[in-house]
Amino acid sequence: NAGVMQNPRHLVRRRGQEARLRCSPMKGHSHVYWYRQLPEEGLKFMVYLQKENIIDESGMPKERFSAEFPKEGPSILRIQQVVRGDSAAYFCASSGQGISGNTIYFGEGSWLTVV
Amino acid sequence: GIQVEQSPPDLILQEGANSTLRCNFSDSVNNLQWFHQNPWGQLINLFYIPSGTKQNGRLSATTVATERYSLLYISSSQTTDSGVYFCAVDTGANSKLTFGKGITLSVRP
Repeated sequence: NAGVMQNPRHLVRRRGQEARLRCSPMKGHSHVYWYRQLPEEGLKFMVYLQKENIIDESGMPKERFSAEFPKEGPSILRIQQVVRGDSAAYFCASSGQGISGNTIYFGEGSWLTVV
Repeated sequence: GIQVEQSPPDLILQEGANSTLRCNFSDSVNNLQWFHQNPWGQLINLFYIPSGTKQNGRLSATTVATERYSLLYISSSQTTDSGVYFCAVDTGANSKLTFGKGITLSVRP
């Protein structure tokens, strides 16, 4: 949905570099979710955030990955010291309230390629 | 956690044909959405349908929550319908959508 804005759309990083992916939710939405899609697979949940709070990070790898959603500005998904296995499409989604009983809308994704 | 199975995994149609895509899930759900991922990778919301029936143009969806399945109907298919169709659910116990593996649809002219 065009309302959820992600950038960059495509990002190429060398192994060991850092990747930062940004997501601005739809206007009026305060709930943000990050999902990862590996090649030929469905989307896997990573993390759920509200403003300044991480609500559920059960899908986040324990190391190198972090996410934030500050009071002002977009949500950031940060991957440190990237490896080839991090190559994937990263989708951000937002909702006005939590998932239960509500539609969530996805952005167009950020494609990370690690070389 | 909840299991989501979609069938068939792949589907090839001639333009103008109708099709039914199925999503089975293993637990009761508070949220069920159908998405279309087009060949450019964009995820498009099709339906929010934890129960009941909805229609939008050539597409319609039905979820029978008591029997734990949902169906997506595509009528008079067009080449632009090609892509991957995902079903995703939430049980209400979690704050996340669990996706099926998707159904790859190819509509031939």
